[in-house]
Amino acid sequence: SAVISQKPSRDICQRGTSLTIQCQVDSQVTMMFWYRQQPGQSLTLIATANQGSEATYESGFVIDKFPISRPNLTFSTLTVSNMSPEDSSIYLCSAVSGDRQEQFFGPGTRLTVL
Amino acid sequence: GQNIDQPTEMTATEGAIVQINCTYQTSGFNGLFWYQQHAGEAPTFLSYNVLDGLEEKGRFSSFLSRSKGYSYLLLKELQMKDSASYLCASMDSNYQLIWGAGTKLIIKP
Repeated sequence: SAVISQKPSRDICQRGTSLTIQCQVDSQVTMMFWYRQQPGQSLTLIATANQGSEATYESGFVIDKFPISRPNLTFSTLTVSNMSPEDSSIYLCSAVSGDRQEQFFGPGTRLTVL
Repeated sequence: GQNIDQPTEMTATEGAIVQINCTYQTSGFNGLFWYQQHAGEAPTFLSYNVLDGLEEKGRFSSFLSRSKGYSYLLLKELQMKDSASYLCASMDSNYQLIWGAGTKLIIKP
C-alpha cells in the first residue's frame, strides 16, 4: 500500500491570500487526485493531477483558482488562490498505484479562511 | 448520469449486525468501493467489488449486484470503534470515484 503525506496539516489564512498544499507519496503511483471535503459531507473531486501536463478539472473548479502541479510520479501540489471563507474545508490528496484499484488518501489539510 | 445513494444515518447496538445499502448509477462502471472515515480523519479503504457476489474480510463483508446497481456493506459483531461514516463510491471507466454522501453509523452500548 502507498503511504501519503500532506503538508501543512492545517492552516489559518487571511482572505485574499494563497496557500499551497504539498502531497508526497512514498512510491510511484499512476494517478493522483485532489479532493475537498466540507464538514459532515462527502468528498468532492477537484481535479486529477497529471504527471507532466495540465491537471484535469471537474465542473465548478478552474485552474486559476486551484492551480495544480505534478512534476513527477510521487509528488503533487494544490494551490488555493485568492482565498475566501467559502474555501474553508479539508483538502485531501489521494493516489492509485499500478493496477490496483484501491485509492489511498493522505491525512488531509484543514484550511480555515478568515 | 452518475449517482450514488446511501442512507444518511444508521444506529445499531454493540455486538449486533448492521447492513449499509448503496445504490449507484455509473457509466462505464469499473467497481464499487467502501471506505470508513472516522471524524476528523481521512477515509480508509475497506473493500472493492467488481464482480457480483459477496466478499468477506473478517467482520466486514461487501456485496455487489451489477445488474441491480446495488451494493451493501455488512458489519458483524459491532464494536464501539466501528462508529464512523461509511462511504460508498463507484469507479467509472476513467478510474475516477463517484462518492456517496456517506452513512453515519452510531453504535450504542
